[in-house]
Amino acid sequence: GAVVSQHPSRVICKSGTSVKIECRSLDFQATTMFWYRQFPKKSLMLMATSNEGSKATYEQGVEKDKFLINHASLTLSTLTVTSAHPEDSSFYICSASRSTGTNSPLHFGNGTRLTVT
Amino acid sequence: QQPVQSPQAVILREGEDAVINCSSSKALYSVHWYRQKHGEAPIFLMILLKGGEQKGHDKISASFNEKKQQSSLYLTASQLSYSGTYFCGTAIGGAQKLVFGQGTRLTINP
Repeated sequence: GAVVSQHPSRVICKSGTSVKIECRSLDFQATTMFWYRQFPKKSLMLMATSNEGSKATYEQGVEKDKFLINHASLTLSTLTVTSAHPEDSSFYICSASRSTGTNSPLHFGNGTRLTVT
Repeated sequence: QQPVQSPQAVILREGEDAVINCSSSKALYSVHWYRQKHGEAPIFLMILLKGGEQKGHDKISASFNEKKQQSSLYLTASQLSYSGTYFCGTAIGGAQKLVFGQGTRLTINP
């Protein structure tokens, strides 16, 4: 079964509003979670690393004030797209690993398809 | 930093074999392989950790050449269920975060 839950799966919002996406690790604690963005038929682009109890680490070119990340507990990270615009429409996917280090697989949520009208 | 995958797309008949390559200009600590079906989350296939390591399960296997900074995914006697987009992910600088290649779209026809 799924080990990472993401909600909502789809959201449509009006331009200028904010949208919050939740990512939960279901049966393990995740001190680190990762947020990706994917355009149609394109690759997964890493946006930021969500760190429990501290500030997120953003990749180059990702606006931290636009994409607010909060990792308030060991099982929950949230991504808030603030003042959304049509160009923010995309597929957002979170992921987490059961353990630290590069030898542990990432488990992905089912993604959130955001449409900004 | 993004690894480069080739080919970009492959079309096979059921039962045929395919090889997907992943190469990086940076030193690799590990290589992950995932498969994603349309509209779904990527599913983990395998991780390769050491240079020269080979892994496999069922008819899907992979190799990792650390010196050449590349990995290959082998799909033999392909099944319809193998269709999807395959991504390699590389851990840069020993960090846990993964950077993914652009993907290889695999289509299996009956």
